[in-house]
Amino acid sequence: QQQVKQSPQSLIVQKGGISIINCAYENTAFDYFPWYQQFPGKGPALLIAIRPDVSEKKEGRFTISFNKSAKQFSLHIMDSQPGDSATYFCAARVGRYGNKLVFGAGTILRVKS
Amino acid sequence: EAGVAQSPRYKIIEKRQSVAFWCNPISGHATLYWYQQILGQGPKLLIQFQNNGVVDDSQLPKDRFSAERLKGVDSTLKIQPAKLEDSAVYLCASSYGASGTYEQYFGPGTRLTVT
Repeated sequence: QQQVKQSPQSLIVQKGGISIINCAYENTAFDYFPWYQQFPGKGPALLIAIRPDVSEKKEGRFTISFNKSAKQFSLHIMDSQPGDSATYFCAARVGRYGNKLVFGAGTILRVKS
Repeated sequence: EAGVAQSPRYKIIEKRQSVAFWCNPISGHATLYWYQQILGQGPKLLIQFQNNGVVDDSQLPKDRFSAERLKGVDSTLKIQPAKLEDSAVYLCASSYGASGTYEQYFGPGTRLTVT
């Protein structure tokens, strides 16, 4: 119930291509879905986030698509660049527990130039 | 604005030894989190503080792990005695508050290797 399942584990994309990472959840009490980006040797950093009352949110080259009925959400990175090479984590928050985040297992993205 | 500071950055110990990690959150952030990130997995919350009180420690192995946040600012996470499976990166994060959707800011982590 408290899990977030993320796929794929790793992804290789050509420069300029679209990177797509998917996540699924079961707990309908989740009320906030952030994506984090982590570079080697660094802590995760918030990339973009969405609430379940919105089906899509776009910030620059990054878009979250959210399907509430299917309990799935995905991150799309348009025009992927080598600098986007990092590990991406989806997460979900159970609000009544006070900003507690449950993270997916992560996707290692490599953008080939 | 200074970020979340953690030390040490790396630590190697033998099993059954003890170890302590230190975290200094962003100034003014009332909420502090300790996460464990095992290689190939996402961060897992160990303990959450609101000021100097514990909000959630349901996933903290209390027989060997302890944490404190005296004076509601810095925090220390201790493992005693360490086991091989404790090898991981220990991340500290802080946020302005614990309600709403306050962003969590992460430190660089402490990589612990238990041999």
